[in-house]
Amino acid sequence: DIQMTQSPSSLSVSVGDSVTITCRASQAIDIHVAWFQQKPGKAPKSLIYSASSLQSGVPSKFRGSGSGTDFALTISSLQPEDSATYYCQQYMRYPFTFGGGTKVEMK
Amino acid sequence: EVQLLESGGGLVPPGGSLTLSCATSGFTFTSHGVNWARQAPGKGLEWVSGFSISDEYLHYADSVQGRFSLSRDTSKGTIYLHMNSLRAEDTAVYYCAKSLLGTNGCFESWGQGTLVTVSS
Repeated sequence: DIQMTQSPSSLSVSVGDSVTITCRASQAIDIHVAWFQQKPGKAPKSLIYSASSLQSGVPSKFRGSGSGTDFALTISSLQPEDSATYYCQQYMRYPFTFGGGTKVEMK
Repeated sequence: EVQLLESGGGLVPPGGSLTLSCATSGFTFTSHGVNWARQAPGKGLEWVSGFSISDEYLHYADSVQGRFSLSRDTSKGTIYLHMNSLRAEDTAVYYCAKSLLGTNGCFESWGQGTLVTVSS
């Protein structure tokens, strides 16, 4: 199985900050990576696919990058509504696997 | 409008069975992969099962292989997750997710989830 190692596990940020979350795959997966945002008690929301493509309706403050084994999600100009847990996921090969999540909290 | 609506969750004793439904609308699920994923209380996301759109092969996570099975009713646009020999560690919110056109696991839309609790 392809392991997705996500870091950091949590972040405390201020309004207006930018943050970068990283995800490393245990083997090369081209650009078959997606990123999701999940708020407490809610279903995940799809943000990014193919490593860097924005899902429809997702603001451009979310930016994905990377290929091969190393990927990143950068969120700029953080607002209180961006407080959530973020997950990466590989869909190169079954079984599809997720990173452990990064909880982003506002100071 | 794309919609996925899960139902069928509830409380079941260890060793019991349950069938979850994912009713879809607004898209053709034979062209978009539809998968099940779950999230145990306070834990991360785990992919559970899905159809391969290219060959309709059924795929399962090792943790549920041999106990869970997928089926679908194309006329109703509904996918079912049949869960047998349930264990406490199967307790989770179960989500169905729709994939981008032509892909198997690139999830773009999620249902609201249904809670399964395995406990005596």
